[in-house]
Amino acid sequence: DAKTTQPPSMDCAEGRAANLPCNHSTISGNEYVYWYRQIHSQGPQYIIHGLKNNETNEMASLIITEDRKSSTLILPHATLRDTAVYYCIVRVTSNTGKLIFGQGTTLQVKP
Amino acid sequence: EAQVTQNPRYLITVTGKKLTVTCSQNMNHEYMSWYRQDPGLGLRQIYYSMNVEVTDKGDVPEGYKVSRKEKRNFPLILESPSPNQTSLYFCASSWGRNTGELFFGEGSRLTVL
Repeated sequence: DAKTTQPPSMDCAEGRAANLPCNHSTISGNEYVYWYRQIHSQGPQYIIHGLKNNETNEMASLIITEDRKSSTLILPHATLRDTAVYYCIVRVTSNTGKLIFGQGTTLQVKP
Repeated sequence: EAQVTQNPRYLITVTGKKLTVTCSQNMNHEYMSWYRQDPGLGLRQIYYSMNVEVTDKGDVPEGYKVSRKEKRNFPLILESPSPNQTSLYFCASSWGRNTGELFFGEGSRLTVL
């Protein structure tokens, strides 16, 4: 699986959009981008995933660049409860069960 | 309610005393996996299972064993725990190998003295 690079930490004002970047420059054509978040020491929670096209669900939007070398997770109206560690991972969907999490980005939403 | 259940949630034990952390899911998922999380090292995969009777090593399998005798259960066994296995452990499951949409348990915090 391709390696991902994320900034270690970010701040965001409550009510504003939080834009979390992820670099995955070595991604292969059949690797999906997944985003998770972990609040305190709870189990990580799946947020969203995509392959090429931008995706949106009730939690967030995922923007993937045309060359697929990077992506951005967007929380449109961040709340204090969105304070968490956000992980971006890439996954080949067909062969192996290995899944590699990086260090993630700690997002601090401030009042 | 769809969930992944781990037990125990907290455990303090001593070096060398065999222990098992159980993991059970009620979603009929094929794929199950164990992770450990340590400060500064993030989540690291220990073992995974693609289906019943099929298990394979992750990135940090040393000192651990697993079994998958039935679909819903995937216990993590520490035959002779050591202090360097003090960690927060997570079990996760998903529909199959072709998805990274994992459902995680709430975690088991293990301390080995």
